[in-house]
Amino acid sequence: KAGVTQTPRYLIKTRGQQVTLSCSPISGHRSVSWYQQTPGQGLQFLFEYFSETQRNKGNFPGRFSGRQFSNSRSEMNVSTLELGDSALYLCASSPGSWGSNQPQHFGDGTRLSIL
Amino acid sequence: DAKTTQPNSMESNEEEPVHLPCNHSTISGTDYIHWYRQLPSQGPEYVIHGLTSNVNNRMASLAIAEDRKSSTLILHRATLRDAAVYYCILRDGNSGNTPLVFGKGTRLSVIA
Repeated sequence: KAGVTQTPRYLIKTRGQQVTLSCSPISGHRSVSWYQQTPGQGLQFLFEYFSETQRNKGNFPGRFSGRQFSNSRSEMNVSTLELGDSALYLCASSPGSWGSNQPQHFGDGTRLSIL
Repeated sequence: DAKTTQPNSMESNEEEPVHLPCNHSTISGTDYIHWYRQLPSQGPEYVIHGLTSNVNNRMASLAIAEDRKSSTLILHRATLRDAAVYYCILRDGNSGNTPLVFGKGTRLSVIA
């Protein structure tokens, strides 16, 4: 069974640009969550999508946005990039039905560097 | 979410058992205890979870104190591949698909 796939694995951008990251969940999983990992703040939740709707949102500015398609694939977008956006962005999928005891399955992330 | 406390780091010899502790004194009755680990250059990986009873799977065992204020993740025979950061996380079973709230975790080093 294929795992969670994130593309690209590495990305370099400059301040002020915008970026789109992609995540393909495990087949059959309908929930996709995004996390940001930095050395200073650790792993922080960005948002979760389920059936093309944002179901949960973390405490990040509006520059961070996402969407989910009908096949459950998800993208996240960051506009007006800042140096502090340099991080590992992780995507996780789960079946998504009600009940928070379902494990989340993570991809290996996209490492974004801002110059 | 209730908070968890873990040691910053631990060290183990290869092929020895490892007991990773987690304190969660403010745990509520509906909180599940989840463990994830993150190997170098990889995303986090689910290890195990439980509510009240001890749990076993192919990766590890989870021992939960009777008062549920603490738990221990047990790796029965540590290998070099088990060197990772281990996170103990509480998730409310009544609140839907809640996000994972990661703390700093315990960095486990395994010595050959």
